[in-house]
Amino acid sequence: AQSVSQHNHHVILSEAASLELGCNYSYGGTVNLFWYVQYPGQHLQLLLKYFSGDPLVKGIKGFEAEFIKSKFSFNLRKPSVQWSDTAEYFCAVIPSYGQNFVFGPGTRLSVLP
Amino acid sequence: DAGVIQSPRHEVTEMGQEVTLRCKPISGHDYLFWYRQTMMRGLELLIYFNNNVPIDDSGMPEDRFSAKMPNASFSTLKIQPSEPRDSAVYFCASSTRPGASYGYTFGSGTRLTVV
Repeated sequence: AQSVSQHNHHVILSEAASLELGCNYSYGGTVNLFWYVQYPGQHLQLLLKYFSGDPLVKGIKGFEAEFIKSKFSFNLRKPSVQWSDTAEYFCAVIPSYGQNFVFGPGTRLSVLP
Repeated sequence: DAGVIQSPRHEVTEMGQEVTLRCKPISGHDYLFWYRQTMMRGLELLIYFNNNVPIDDSGMPEDRFSAKMPNASFSTLKIQPSEPRDSAVYFCASSTRPGASYGYTFGSGTRLTVV
């Protein structure tokens, strides 16, 4: 069965600090990978996605993620966080021909002004 | 595009009462998913439909939960009778081909509180 793990439950950073959130998955076949963000009190929104090509993908709001196939990882990065990035971040995996996602448990990011 | 529309946004009900949550997917999306989100368990897939047909309901916690999709533009999730442990945020999401690059579009959720 597929599974997704996220390295940190809660990350606290000061504004302008760099961010890296870890995500690892277990699945033997080809997958598509996503990061979703959930701002406080809101629904999940797509941040970025990878399905083929350049393993370094850029998303909205200055976020990027790198797919490292050999490590089954898809880590999320941002060079300089802002207070408005305070949210919960979910990594999600779906087999390329699959029908439903497996979400990670989420990482809560708190950015201090 | 109005997005995925869920109603109500908030629901407070007494234990034992029936609760019905509603979802209108994006037009043209033939997959619809119901998720439950709690602090303890994170995001849990309850059930999903393809072309109005339930494909996988293994995530439905027990017989008190039921979901229907009578047509391509409407789905309901019903809890009867409701219990305090059902308190959670319930999200509906829709998609065209989830396994492709499209991902899901989530609704704003229904926050259910059972007292």
